Amino acid sequence: GIQVEQSPPDLILQEGANSTLRCNFSDSVNNLQWFHQNPWGQLINLFYIPSGTKQNGRLSATTVATERYSLLYISSSQTTDSGVYFCAVEADFGNEKLTFGTGTRLTIIP
Amino acid sequence: DADVTQTPRNRITKTGKRIMLECSQTKGHDRMYWYRQDPGLGLRLIYYSFDVKDINKGEISDGYSVSRQAQAKFSLSLESAIPNQTALYFCATSDLGGFYNEQFFGPGTRLTVL
Repeated sequence: GIQVEQSPPDLILQEGANSTLRCNFSDSVNNLQWFHQNPWGQLINLFYIPSGTKQNGRLSATTVATERYSLLYISSSQTTDSGVYFCAVEADFGNEKLTFGTGTRLTIIP
Repeated sequence: DADVTQTPRNRITKTGKRIMLECSQTKGHDRMYWYRQDPGLGLRLIYYSFDVKDINKGEISDGYSVSRQAQAKFSLSLESAIPNQTALYFCATSDLGGFYNEQFFGPGTRLTVL
């Protein structure tokens, strides 16, 4: 099956810093989603982005499908950004199932 | 009101007990999914259903069963719970009719098997 790797596994930053999280995948995809899992365990949809670039406030994401990677940018980090960020992909052979990476744990220090 | 709800939110049970986790959605989506998350890992698919008469196994279905009682309801059962089924369980939905298969997740059920 498709493989999804996220880097870095852990990231500790000072409040106000910027960060880039990376997701590499091993095959072409129909669907790519970024999620934020907050400290209470809830999964929050950030982006649906199988290709191209999207922005939502301080967050933006870019997927380069031909090179099989996606990047999540967080600018001017706040403590509420802490948590685990997951990338999940649906492979491009129609099985319509998401495969998750193991996540990047982001800790923002005040 | 939340679009995807799960009950219970937390459950502690004993080895050998039967337990059911329930998921309801008001999004009108046809597709529903059950995932589990173990500490430090991403989510893994247990079962999924594309409509009321459709049930499919995911990558880790052993020890679990599901029931799709209606378009809006999808239940996960552990017939005889064991400690390594201790995990965070998520239900998700997506829309069959659209081009996009964006999935939306419930708040999760934290299950502990003693």
